[in-house]
Amino acid sequence: GQNIDQPTEMTATEGAIVQINCTYQTSGFNGLFWYQQHAGEAPTFLSYNVLDGLEEKGRFSSFLSRSKGYSYLLLKELQMKDSASYLCAPFWGGYNKLIFGAGTRLAVHP
Amino acid sequence: GAVVSQHPSRVICKSGTSVKIECRSLDFQATTMFWYRQFPKQSLMLMATSNEGSKATYEQGVEKDKFLINHASLTLSTLTVTSAHPEDSSFYICSGTSGGHSTDTQYFGPGTRLTVL
Repeated sequence: GQNIDQPTEMTATEGAIVQINCTYQTSGFNGLFWYQQHAGEAPTFLSYNVLDGLEEKGRFSSFLSRSKGYSYLLLKELQMKDSASYLCAPFWGGYNKLIFGAGTRLAVHP
Repeated sequence: GAVVSQHPSRVICKSGTSVKIECRSLDFQATTMFWYRQFPKQSLMLMATSNEGSKATYEQGVEKDKFLINHASLTLSTLTVTSAHPEDSSFYICSGTSGGHSTDTQYFGPGTRLTVL
């Protein structure tokens, strides 16, 4: 398999910062998407990384290290509405599709 | 952003009947559409990839005769679950991409919750 690994659950406090890590198999790796999914709803696109480094989009940033097979999603100034699952979805050459990780369920508390 | 709709949002059917789910791209032409299934507290599992005007490519373990996919136009794909059984109860989600590569950003529909009694 593609060995996508991300924590199952995380908790954080409103207003804080949280980092959600994702590791994956590097062989043939092309790029990686992060999606947010609220319970019972479809995923929504958050970010896309192909090159090493940090991509910043408002309160959300995503980082990629191609050589290490590692990415993280950084959420700043957490809000209650950020409570959701966060899905790491790498894609590899030869696979014309995304493979989703199991997701990290984030609970934001007051 | 790109909008994808699905219909119906929820469906309850009896065992042995067939159910059709529609997926439409509302403001873009989806050259490739994907169908996923998601069981509670699990991630999305890709069922099949379809390109407009051609036969769908099914993932290993997905029965093509049970899950019929049609992608007749650049804005519509349908998934028909034939002879549904309780184990087919799940959340079915479609997505579409507008670029020439299926690894372009996928935009997801709101999902269809199927319950088979």
